[in-house]
Amino acid sequence: DAGVIQSPRHEVTEMGQEVTLRCKPISGHNSLFWYRQTMMRGLELLIYFNNNVPIDDSGMPEDRFSAKMPNASFSTLKIQPSEPRDSAVYFCASSLGRATNEKLFFGSGTQLSVL
Amino acid sequence: DQQVKQNSPSLSVQEGRISILNCDYTNSMFDYFLWYKKYPAEGPTFLISISSIKDKNEDGRFTVFLNKSAKHLSLHIVPSQPGDSAVYFCAAKGNQFYFGTGTSLTVIP
Repeated sequence: DAGVIQSPRHEVTEMGQEVTLRCKPISGHNSLFWYRQTMMRGLELLIYFNNNVPIDDSGMPEDRFSAKMPNASFSTLKIQPSEPRDSAVYFCASSLGRATNEKLFFGSGTQLSVL
Repeated sequence: DQQVKQNSPSLSVQEGRISILNCDYTNSMFDYFLWYKKYPAEGPTFLISISSIKDKNEDGRFTVFLNKSAKHLSLHIVPSQPGDSAVYFCAAKGNQFYFGTGTSLTVIP
């Protein structure tokens, strides 16, 4: 299995531009998570889906952030408009979503820089 | 509000010695705990886990200890190797996964 695949690996954009991050979870995994890594808060959960349905989006910073999961093999995280404080590494992760003692599998992340 | 806390941002250890990474949590309902290891420019990878019904789990050089009464867990690495140098994240599972802020471990050759 290829694991969780994220694209792009790096994104440099200017303030005010729209940014779209993409994720392909591991086949057969029912839960998908978007995290943001910052020095202050570590791995911060933004939103997670179960069976393509958003379950908890309370971590989404503000209305500029949105996420979709149109099918079991694809999810996007969009920031519109982007701001310099959004600069961080964004990780997508997936899990089976069925058991208590299960683990998360992470993608390689997208390094976002907003100038 | 951080439900999982790693109070040591960094740790340096000599090769061959023991590394001890600590983690505290606030929610007694957490029933599963995990440690992840992260190298630069890579995603976190699973290292070891422990269920709340146990107090110790060992996998090779890595051992995780859980003290439920203190809401504390620790990761022991013995002996430490230079390749262990990475950021280690503690995580707890409730209805979702909660992560700490990470501890950067440097193993000095």
